[in-house]
Amino acid sequence: QTVVTQEPSFSVSPGGTVTLTCGLSSGSVSTTYYPSWYQQTPGQAPRTLIYSTNTRSSGVPDRFSGSILGNKAALTITGAQADDESDYYCVLYMGSGNWVFGGGTKLTVL
Amino acid sequence: QITLKESGPMLVKPTQTLTLTCTFSGFSLSTSGVGVGWIRQPPGKALEWLALIYWDDDKRYSPSLKSRLTITKDTSKNQVVLSMTNMDPVDTATYYCALLWFGVSNYFDHWGQGTLVTVSS
Repeated sequence: QTVVTQEPSFSVSPGGTVTLTCGLSSGSVSTTYYPSWYQQTPGQAPRTLIYSTNTRSSGVPDRFSGSILGNKAALTITGAQADDESDYYCVLYMGSGNWVFGGGTKLTVL
Repeated sequence: QITLKESGPMLVKPTQTLTLTCTFSGFSLSTSGVGVGWIRQPPGKALEWLALIYWDDDKRYSPSLKSRLTITKDTSKNQVVLSMTNMDPVDTATYYCALLWFGVSNYFDHWGQGTLVTVSS
């Protein structure tokens, strides 16, 4: 079965820029996978950040952006803030109505 | 305003069948391009997609859990029901339902608050 890969953890300084990635155990991520990104803080439901590779969900600050970088989907946070410290998940549409979540990245802002 | 809320038992015994209900408002599951999905998250672990039901009653399941899952909808009640058979302690998780937009943009939009289900004898 296809595995969606994410960095287990990442650290960024306040005001810094960080790029999280979302890859495939086999093959490249493209826009046809409709990569989307979700932010989750402890005890809370996920919040939709980015969908269809690079479209920000309503109310999401423009410091969050999505793209394809090489063979992976990417979430870039520019000007990181303390409250960006969260878990971030990507999900890919695998076709035939199937979806696969990545293992998530724990982002620390310090 | 779109809302979704999960309901069901907080505790089930091993081998029992879990039945969860997602009650939603603010959208119709008879509208083209709409779906409702179930996603779970074991404590301290990642999200895992389980099942989806689309506006046209098409149903999709995670391949690894397909034999244990059944998803249905009641459009008149604005509800989606997920059943999972033969529950095991490893199925202990928070179970979420979420609105899916399918078509031009495929993504999970609004999420329920989640319901924690513990499997224990």
